Amino acid sequence: EDQVTQSPEALRLQEGESSSLNCSYTVSGLRGLFWYRQDPGKGPEFLFTLYSAGEEKEKERLKATLTKKESFLHITAPKPEDSATYLCACNYGGSQGNLIFGKGTKLSVKP
Amino acid sequence: DSGVTQTPKHLITATGQRVTLRCSPRSGDLSVYWYQQSLDQGLQFLIQYYNGEERAKGNILERFSAQQFPDLHSELNLSSLELGDSALYFCASSPGGRAYEQYFGPGTRLTVT
Repeated sequence: EDQVTQSPEALRLQEGESSSLNCSYTVSGLRGLFWYRQDPGKGPEFLFTLYSAGEEKEKERLKATLTKKESFLHITAPKPEDSATYLCACNYGGSQGNLIFGKGTKLSVKP
Repeated sequence: DSGVTQTPKHLITATGQRVTLRCSPRSGDLSVYWYQQSLDQGLQFLIQYYNGEERAKGNILERFSAQQFPDLHSELNLSSLELGDSALYFCASSPGGRAYEQYFGPGTRLTVT
């Protein structure tokens, strides 16, 4: 069964404490892996697209990487405003263009 | 601001009723996607339209239907509403049908009482 699994479900960090979020996927024919940020009650905000193993993308304190089985979202020296739920999603051969989402990692950064 | 607009922001209605949610995609985007997000299920794909035609269906109930109009805006119709239909409904748009990032609207929060 095609799946996208994110871990941990929740992560609490102190401001400045770097860490990584994991997204593992078991899909056939990955076309793209996407990271989104979602604040409570808001729509997901697009962060990154990764298309092939070895690819990396960076934006401010965030860096996304991709292997053949998983993706990591590295957060360097996080700030309280980075607190949100981070969602990973896959578009693959059997998904007909739509995205299959993981359940997300809820990140809390304390000052 | 993603450029995707959704109306209304909030909707409260009774069981058995019918509602219509509206979405306007980003300028130039041809694809519109509808997703449902509930606390226990996460984001679930419902249906996709590309340039007016249905492209893909996900876990969409028979009580739900959608369409995309010539001006590319889309409507999601939910009928015979049940308590379990209470959720956030998101619309997203993308330039093409596959492998493009999708940009999400702010959502419509539906509460069925």
